[in-house]
Amino acid sequence: EVQLVESGGGLVQRGGSLRLSCVASGFTFSSHAMNWVRQAPGEGLEWVSAISAGGGLTLYGDSVQGRFTISRDNSRNTLYLQMDSLRAEDTAIYYCAKVFRLGDTPFDHWGQGTLVTVSS
Amino acid sequence: QSALTQPASVSGSPGQSITISCTGTSSDVGGYKFVSWYQQHPATAPKLLIYDVSDRPSGVSNRFSGSKSGNTASLTISGLQPEDEADYYCSFYTSTRVMFGGGTKLTVL
Repeated sequence: EVQLVESGGGLVQRGGSLRLSCVASGFTFSSHAMNWVRQAPGEGLEWVSAISAGGGLTLYGDSVQGRFTISRDNSRNTLYLQMDSLRAEDTAIYYCAKVFRLGDTPFDHWGQGTLVTVSS
Repeated sequence: QSALTQPASVSGSPGQSITISCTGTSSDVGGYKFVSWYQQHPATAPKLLIYDVSDRPSGVSNRFSGSKSGNTASLTISGLQPEDEADYYCSFYTSTRVMFGGGTKLTVL
C-alpha cells in the first residue's frame, strides 16, 4: 500500500523559514517524480513544485519561485520542501503527491497534508 | 483566479446525473488529452477519479466518466449517491506544468 506522510508544518512568522518532509513507502520511491501541492484555507488546489525521480530536474510555480526549494533523498525515501521568506499567503495545507507514470502525468496518491501557518 | 474555470457549485438529487465543466484554452485543455479530475471530501486529501480526459484508475466507480469538447472538459457523475457530496477539481498536466481549476462543490440534495 502506498503511503505518503508529511510533517514539519507549524506556525512561523512572516519572513521566516520552514522545512517540510514527506516520507514515502509502498512503492519504489526512486523511480517516481514527486510533487508538492498546497491548499489555502477554504480555497482550491495550487501546484507548488515538482522534482524528477533522480532529483536532477526541479520545477516551481510562479508564486514560490526563488523562495522555495524542493529536494529528495532517495536513500531515505523522503521528499523535502524548504520554504524561505514566507509570506501570509503561503498559509496552506501542503500535500506531497506521487506521479502516476513517467512523462505527462496526474497524481495518483496524496499524503494527508501538513498545515503551515504564516503569521503577520 | 484559476487558469481553468469551473462552476462554483452544482447540485443534484440521489439517482440523478450531473455534469461539471472545466474550461481552459487551446493551449491547455483544448490541445492535449492531459486532463484529470479529483474528488476531495472535507478534511481529506484529493483522490484521482479520471485521467487522460476519460480514463479511470483501478478501483474508481464507473459512475464517474470524463469527456472533452474543444476547450472544455467535463466530469459526469451518474446515479448520484449521498457520498458523492464533495469538492471536485479538474487539472491540466504536462511534464513541465500543472494547473488546477477553482473547484466545484457538489451538493446531493
